[in-house]
Amino acid sequence: ETGVTQTPRHLVMGMTNKKSLKCEQHLGHNAMYWYKQSAKKPLELMFVYNFKEQTENNSVPSRFSPECPNSSHLFLHLHTLQPEDSALYLCASSQESAGNTIYFGEGSWLTVV
Amino acid sequence: GQQLNQSPQSMFIQEGEDVSMNCTSSSIFNTWLWYKQDPGEGPVLLIALYKAGELTSNGRLTAQFGITRKDSFLNISASIPSDVGIYFCAGSDSNYQLIWGAGTKLIIKP
Repeated sequence: ETGVTQTPRHLVMGMTNKKSLKCEQHLGHNAMYWYKQSAKKPLELMFVYNFKEQTENNSVPSRFSPECPNSSHLFLHLHTLQPEDSALYLCASSQESAGNTIYFGEGSWLTVV
Repeated sequence: GQQLNQSPQSMFIQEGEDVSMNCTSSSIFNTWLWYKQDPGEGPVLLIALYKAGELTSNGRLTAQFGITRKDSFLNISASIPSDVGIYFCAGSDSNYQLIWGAGTKLIIKP
């Protein structure tokens, strides 16, 4: 139990579907992150939220839409994805976004068919 | 952009052997972090290093923050089957951005 919970753990969706990934952290942190992990690639930072404000968007396509309603919850809304978007999506949190140690959730495995 | 070289890419070892892996960067880092990821799970923090020269242990794991602040190593002593997985290093640069290594995959020979 890392204190960061992601749901669902596995998701299969068609290219025309709309789905969302959810993340909740119970660590009292103020920063939350979405990372993408594809096979044989380093972790790719997608979005950073610090005190509910988006502070980083690493040129992520608009078919990925994050939402951070409060410091404990983070969503990743997915629509019209492509098969190459299939990957493990990791949520993480830290005290603040300035280089603090980050703690990951268990990840959501996404398969786009 | 910033790059962090992690080596080796993979290791085949016998149970009971010691393991060593490292990360190097062309620029200085303020923090070094080591994570382990089991198949199908998220990375779990093993050791965090905050000062140049710092040597920290966590059970059979030992990691050091290089004195030049451009490298770090992780050692695992007397490896056991549950040590298999992928080990990632990450460094926090002067802009407080976390830069990730590509991972070292540890495989125990049967």
